[in-house]
Amino acid sequence: SQKIEQNSEALNIQEGKTATLTCNYTNYSPAYLQWYRQDPGRGPVFLLLIRENEKEKRKERLKVTFDTTLKQSLFHITASQPADSATYLCALWASGANNLFFGTGTRLTVIP
Amino acid sequence: EPEVTQTPSHQVTQMGQEVILRCVPISNHLYFYWYRQILGQKVEFLVSFYNNEISEKSEIFDDQFSVERPDGSNFTLKIRSTKLEDSAMYFCASKASRNQETQYFGPGTRLLVL
Repeated sequence: SQKIEQNSEALNIQEGKTATLTCNYTNYSPAYLQWYRQDPGRGPVFLLLIRENEKEKRKERLKVTFDTTLKQSLFHITASQPADSATYLCALWASGANNLFFGTGTRLTVIP
Repeated sequence: EPEVTQTPSHQVTQMGQEVILRCVPISNHLYFYWYRQILGQKVEFLVSFYNNEISEKSEIFDDQFSVERPDGSNFTLKIRSTKLEDSAMYFCASKASRNQETQYFGPGTRLLVL
């Protein structure tokens, strides 16, 4: 069956450290993968997109990697801040599909 | 910056009642979506809409659901006869074009069916 799993439901890290979140998928052929931020009671906010033929993307303190052999994407937040505390969702757009499939989300808490 | 808006922000209804959730996508966008998120669960695709037609729908989007773009700005989701399990956050999203990959999400409508 098709699955998108994010490594842990919750992750706590110390301010200033790098947070690394994992997204694994099975039985999908993604055209691209996206990472979203979701705050409580709010809609997902787009952060970064990485295509199937790309290995890495960066935007300010954010970095995404994509390994289609391992069927995995890693999402890094460097120099984390308490304001980075939120739930982070990975979502993939499968080749031939017409919608996004979301992972379960990881709730990140950055401790001051 | 343009954004997707949704009304109402909260809706409480009795089981069996009809509800209409409203969305105003970003003005020059052509592709529209509804997703739902049951409390504590993942965001799930319901339906996509383009050129006044449903492009794709999930298994969740059964005969109780319908979508409409009644004018040039609104995009609505109707649930004909609500069930308890329809209680969820409903998100509308839009994107500019087929080649534009980024979907922009609205703030959601929290629906509670009693």
